[in-house]
Amino acid sequence: QVQLVQSGAEVKKPGASVKVSCKASGYTFTNYGINWVRQAPGQGLEWMGWITPYNGDTNYAQFLQGRVTLTTDTSTSTTYMELRSLRSDDTAVYYCARATAIRISGVVTYTPPDFWGQGTLVTVSS
Amino acid sequence: DIQMTQSPSTLSASVGDRVTITCRASQSISSWLAWYQQKAGRAPKLLIYKASTLESGVPSRFSGSGSGTDFTLTISSLQPDDFATYYCQRYNTYWTFGQGTKVEIK
Repeated sequence: QVQLVQSGAEVKKPGASVKVSCKASGYTFTNYGINWVRQAPGQGLEWMGWITPYNGDTNYAQFLQGRVTLTTDTSTSTTYMELRSLRSDDTAVYYCARATAIRISGVVTYTPPDFWGQGTLVTVSS
Repeated sequence: DIQMTQSPSTLSASVGDRVTITCRASQSISSWLAWYQQKAGRAPKLLIYKASTLESGVPSRFSGSGSGTDFTLTISSLQPDDFATYYCQRYNTYWTFGQGTKVEIK
């Protein structure tokens, strides 16, 4: 069965970096993309970016430009999300989610995800 | 940048009520819209995609409509399991979520 298993909770100080992993199983890893979505406590969902494991292509949300990097290791079917220069408002649950690439008017995007990781709580506090 | 605006932010309803949530895009997204249900401490669950297509396994009391900039999610007869927060999401280029609508017990 399809599973996305994320790494455990993290506590970081402001200015530090965090790297969250998302290990996929139960499907051909390179046939789907991985999106990352975060949710601050009591707040809504916020898309962070995606990566296409097949070729490593990435697309990041504008508000995170320069602070986030998505990578994959196809040998272990694992995707990584690294967020740098952490601030208190980065405190959130971070989710990875599997989705299918499609083209709309020639632009690559992803369908709504069909499987999600369990979420990883990242707490940023001094 | 396309913004997604949901209304209302909170909705109080009773079991058996017909419930409607609206989502407006700041510019046309055709039918590239999805709806999710989320319960506390859980990942979102996909209900509807392509504005009106019911995800497999989702009860038929959920329905979606709209295209362009105006969309609705309707629950025809609210059930106890439906008290949750609902989000719309556009996915025509990258993803943007609405701010959410909490459906609470009246």
